[in-house]
Amino acid sequence: QSALTQPASVSGSPGQSITISCTGTSSDVGGYNYVSWYQQHPGKAPKLMIYEVSNRPSGVSNRFSGSKSGNTASLIISGLQAEDEADYYCSSYTSSSSYVFGTGTKVTVL
Amino acid sequence: QVQLVESGGGVVQPGGSLRLSCAASGFIFSSYGMHWVRQAPGKGLEWVAIIRYDGSNKYYADSVKGRITISRDNSKNTLFLQMNSLRGEDTALYYCAKDLSASGWHPDYWGQGTLVTVSS
Repeated sequence: QSALTQPASVSGSPGQSITISCTGTSSDVGGYNYVSWYQQHPGKAPKLMIYEVSNRPSGVSNRFSGSKSGNTASLIISGLQAEDEADYYCSSYTSSSSYVFGTGTKVTVL
Repeated sequence: QVQLVESGGGVVQPGGSLRLSCAASGFIFSSYGMHWVRQAPGKGLEWVAIIRYDGSNKYYADSVKGRITISRDNSKNTLFLQMNSLRGEDTALYYCAKDLSASGWHPDYWGQGTLVTVSS
């Protein structure tokens, strides 16, 4: 199972909005609404930010939102803050009853 | 609150074996699926395996199939990962993670990981 494709890096200024894309195939992202997004700060464990494409777990800021169109899912971070600087990973269930993560995106707050 | 504490990592020679454990607390362990996910040094996340809440179903990444076995002891709130025929590419920080549900595919809470180094 190949990793989902994400841009290596995305940057933005405080207060701006950024979008991170996650491209898969009809066998994973496009075929199921089981897309999640994780935030990982250096040396820390990943934190679930979005599940089932657009649902936010309790306690996650509403500045984080998710969507999907075809084989591409997106994470939108609005009102960018310094604390949002981290690595972000998408993930998806796959048709072979497995799970795959994206290649990861480093978000930099300018 | 949910706590997941991994242990059992260490240095092992290629071809060797290792058994990882994950002690869970703060939630009803027997009601949730559990995952193992690994991260090689400086690299991205790689899903390894999942086990359903009652141990009835287990699924593995192709890269570990046949060499790694996931199991759980619900009476002891503990998740395991038995790793055999280890290779250099298995070197990684191994995280255990709780799923959002009994039979879902959404790791939510993660432990801090245990480091496995495969080297001669």
